Amino acid sequence: DAGVIQSPRHEVTEMGQEVTLRCKPISGHDYLFWYRQTMMRGLELLIYFNNNVPIDDSGMPEDRFSAKMPNASFSTLKIQPSEPRDSAVYFCASRPSITGRQFFGPGTRLTVL
Amino acid sequence: GESVGLHLPTLSVQEGDNSIINCAYSNSASDYFIWYKQESGKGPQFIIDIRSNMDKRQGQRVTVLLNKTVKHLSLQIAATQPGDSAVYFCAENVGSYIPTFGRGTSLIVHP
Repeated sequence: DAGVIQSPRHEVTEMGQEVTLRCKPISGHDYLFWYRQTMMRGLELLIYFNNNVPIDDSGMPEDRFSAKMPNASFSTLKIQPSEPRDSAVYFCASRPSITGRQFFGPGTRLTVL
Repeated sequence: GESVGLHLPTLSVQEGDNSIINCAYSNSASDYFIWYKQESGKGPQFIIDIRSNMDKRQGQRVTVLLNKTVKHLSLQIAATQPGDSAVYFCAENVGSYIPTFGRGTSLIVHP
């Protein structure tokens, strides 16, 4: 199994641009999570899905952030427009319903200039 | 200079020593706990978990201890190796397996 796949691994963009981060969870996992990690705030849960349905998006910082999961094998996190304070590492994680153990992807390092 | 922020606690040990990483959790209703290891440039990786009906669980070179009275969790690593150098996070869960992560502790192993 390839594990959770995220793309791109690095993204550098200018303020105001749209950014789309992508995630392919592990096949068979019912849950998908998006996290943001910064030195200031640590690892923050942004949103999670169960069976492709968003369950809790209370961690999404602003309306500029949106996430979708059109099918069981793909999810996107979009930031529009991006701002310098969005610079962080964004992780996607998935897990099956029977365990709390999450499997994290390698992350996308986002830099907004 | 760098803006004010929360610096990670750091534990420095010599190779071969035992390491103990501590975590205070906040919710007395938490019933499931996980330790993750995050190496530089990678995502967190599961190490070991424990449920609240246990006070100790052992894995390969690692032991997790849970003290519910004082809401404290610890991760013990035996015979620490340079490859153990990483940031270690504890995560607490209440019922639904939606974790809240701690700030993390940086472990530095000196050869």
